[in-house]
Amino acid sequence: DSGVTQTPKHLITATGQRVTLRCSPRSGDLSVYWYQQSLDQGLQFLIQYYNGEERAKGNILERFSAQQFPDLHSELNLSSLELGDSALYFCASSVDSGALGNEQFFGPGTRLTVL
Amino acid sequence: AQKVTQAQTEISVVEKEDVTLDCVYETRDTTYYLFWYKQPPSGELVFLIRRNSFDEQNEISGRYSWNFQKSTSSFNFTITASQVVDSAVYFCALSDLVNNAGNMLTFGGGTRLMVKP
Repeated sequence: DSGVTQTPKHLITATGQRVTLRCSPRSGDLSVYWYQQSLDQGLQFLIQYYNGEERAKGNILERFSAQQFPDLHSELNLSSLELGDSALYFCASSVDSGALGNEQFFGPGTRLTVL
Repeated sequence: AQKVTQAQTEISVVEKEDVTLDCVYETRDTTYYLFWYKQPPSGELVFLIRRNSFDEQNEISGRYSWNFQKSTSSFNFTITASQVVDSAVYFCALSDLVNNAGNMLTFGGGTRLMVKP
């Protein structure tokens, strides 16, 4: 158990809908990262927050947004969902932000199915 | 751009065989970190090892060993005397600094290892 929690574990929804994925980092970690794992694209970095501020952005679609709250939990919002958004979404956390090579601890993931 | 290539998409071995998973990376940075993660059938990502670009010593942890060769930009992973519980997808990853403020992992495509009894 990495100490990173993600809810829900599974999510099934329809095209065009909006969903929110939630992540709580390990105790003491200030950075939260979101990754998407799909059959087409593999494991891709989406976005990173550190202590409430966005620090790094990857190939995140405009339909997707994220935020980190004062209690350090993070939410990833996915809107106007398409079939291709079906994937496993991972959250990870680390102690700091800009330190190259800091270990990221991954949560169990949220499996999103868009029908 | 940073890139990680795991050319072997799937490997099948019989229990007790040794197996090597290949990882080749591309980066223009002189300082970087490489990682290996394991994803068992249950789906979570489990950290295995981290290695920085200045440390080319091979590392051994039980049945696992890693061979880092900067000259060939490779960071290969060997499992000795494989076991059925080693069946998983293994990912190699490269750490990137982003705007000196954030960081991210660039993952390879993964190698699915199947160990048969």
